[in-house]
Amino acid sequence: AQSVSQHNHHVILSEAASLELGCNYSYGGTVNLFWYVQYPGQHLQLLLKYFSGDPLVKGIKGFEAEFIKSKFSFNLRKPSVQWSDTAEYFCAVKSGGYNKLIFGAGTRLAVHP
Amino acid sequence: ETGVTQSPTHLIKTRGQQVTLRCSSQSGHNTVSWYQQALGQGPQFIFQYYREEENGRGNFPPRFSGLQFPNYSSELNVNALELDDSALYLCASTSGGSPGQGMYEQYFGPGTRLTVT
Repeated sequence: AQSVSQHNHHVILSEAASLELGCNYSYGGTVNLFWYVQYPGQHLQLLLKYFSGDPLVKGIKGFEAEFIKSKFSFNLRKPSVQWSDTAEYFCAVKSGGYNKLIFGAGTRLAVHP
Repeated sequence: ETGVTQSPTHLIKTRGQQVTLRCSSQSGHNTVSWYQQALGQGPQFIFQYYREEENGRGNFPPRFSGLQFPNYSSELNVNALELDDSALYLCASTSGGSPGQGMYEQYFGPGTRLTVT
């Protein structure tokens, strides 16, 4: 069965620190990859997505992710985090003929001033 | 905000009861998906509706059922509620053609928090 693994359940950083959140998926075919963010009390929002082409994808709010097909990975990065990045981050994979997203368990990020 | 709305915001039911959750999709979106997000977990796909028909289903029993209406709004019905059904239920809508044809982003609503006691 297809699955998505997020390596870190909780991450605590100070402002201006660099961020990298790991995501691995298990599926050998063509995939579409996503990172969603859920700020406290808000709905899930799309940060970035990869469908094809350049494996380095840039999203909103300074986030980027790199698709490494050989490693089945799609890690999220940000060079310098802010307190406002405190949220839960979800990696997701879409495969197959309909819009089913398979989500990881999420990583809860806390950024301290 | 995404334009996807859900009602009610919170709901408390007892075991064995039935519940109906509602979702209004973003204007122009013809596909609605439902997800269940248990505490501490990522959302899990329940099913998807396109043009009023279910056309994709996750690993959920038949007591989870749904409807989509001509205006593309949708309902999720859960019969014979169990304690494990306590979760945040998310609705997501998508624009474009038939599901799977393209690279369509899903827009999520704020969810309905269901508590089963």
